[in-house]
Amino acid sequence: AQSVTQPDIHITVSEGASLELRCNYSYGATPYLFWYVQSPGQGLQLLLKYFSGDTLVQGIKGFEAEFKRSQSSFNLRKPSVHWSDAAEYFCAVESSYKLIFGSGTRLLVRP
Amino acid sequence: NAGVTQTPKFQVLKTGQSMTLQCAQDMNHEYMSWYRQDPGMGLRLIHYSVGAGITDQGEVPNGYNVSRSTTEDFPLRLLSAAPSQTSVYFCASSPGPSTGGLRYNEQFFGPGTRLTVL
Repeated sequence: AQSVTQPDIHITVSEGASLELRCNYSYGATPYLFWYVQSPGQGLQLLLKYFSGDTLVQGIKGFEAEFKRSQSSFNLRKPSVHWSDAAEYFCAVESSYKLIFGSGTRLLVRP
Repeated sequence: NAGVTQTPKFQVLKTGQSMTLQCAQDMNHEYMSWYRQDPGMGLRLIHYSVGAGITDQGEVPNGYNVSRSTTEDFPLRLLSAAPSQTSVYFCASSPGPSTGGLRYNEQFFGPGTRLTVL
């Protein structure tokens, strides 16, 4: 069965430091992958998506993600974190028109 | 466009009560879905619809009913609320299969309904 694993429940980084959030997926065919962000009390906003082609995908707010088929990973990165990036981040894989989400990683940003 | 709207924002129910969570979108999207979000479990799909008159079950459908009589509206009904249904509920929509399928389109999420069942 398809699944998504986000191994880090919480991550704390200092403002200005780099960030990498991990995502591993289990999917039989070529996956369609997404990263969403959820600010406290808000709905989900799409950061970026991977369908095919270039394995390094650029998104909004300075985020990028790299698809690595050999590692079944789709890690999210940002070179310099801002305090406003504090939120919960969800990785998801599409399966038959449905999204399967990971359990999320909560990002805390130290001033 | 208002996007995806959900009402109410907050609701408290007693065990056994029924209620309907409303979801509407004004983007003429074919695809609509309901998710519930619980701590440490991400979002799980309850029911979805690929067009008016067509609905199907997701990962956690028990205790919930849906119908899709119009393109715009996709209400979620709890027939007899249970404490296990305490959660935050999100509705989402996307252009859907007729325009290439979900894989080619973003799902747009509503702001959520926080439901507590006592």
